[in-house]
Amino acid sequence: DAGITQSPRHKVTETGTPVTLRCHQTENHRYMYWYRQDPGHGLRLIHYSYGVKDTDKGEVSDGYSVSRSKTEDFLLTLESATSSQTSVYFCAISEREAGELFFGEGSRLTVL
Amino acid sequence: GENVEQHPSTLSVQEGDSAVIKCTYSDSASNYFPWYKQELGKRPQLIIDIRSNVGEKKDQRIAVTLNKTAKHFSLHITETQPEDSAVYFCAASNNNNDMRFGAGTRLTVKP
Repeated sequence: DAGITQSPRHKVTETGTPVTLRCHQTENHRYMYWYRQDPGHGLRLIHYSYGVKDTDKGEVSDGYSVSRSKTEDFLLTLESATSSQTSVYFCAISEREAGELFFGEGSRLTVL
Repeated sequence: GENVEQHPSTLSVQEGDSAVIKCTYSDSASNYFPWYKQELGKRPQLIIDIRSNVGEKKDQRIAVTLNKTAKHFSLHITETQPEDSAVYFCAASNNNNDMRFGAGTRLTVKP
């Protein structure tokens, strides 16, 4: 498996609280992604990064922000969590655009 | 943006039979079509992919076919085994970072 870890793996929080998920890679891949996975929707792209400090929005970016200050770390922040953000979040990395995605193990977030 | 539809949502086959999962896409500029397998509680992993300059690609018991005119592509698994049971996702990308996934197909292979 590619060297990619997510933390925390599980989190329960309350509506309105801020939450940050961390993705860490040891592969030195340029591209990093945050997806959410919900039943009936497959994997939907939230945000992605194509380099340090270079990020862009995906399909479902509302309510989320990201930061990438180092090649190896990509942070996903929910400024004020809502119940609709209860989901499993996957980080992924890739060496190239439109290339194989290597996923992390996922972070299950529950917003009460 | 790209829209990917995947059918069926669930598929049950007997061990040894073939399984076919179909996807359609909307953006004619899409040129990269991967398939991911996700076992229960695990991360998705790439099993096969195809690019628009190829019509078919095989890897042992797995094959993918692409029809760019009709904008659809399919995953074929022959001689299915219980360990093929998983959720399979198709995806499409236009040489960019916005890869769109289908909703997934839950394949069950009955021994």
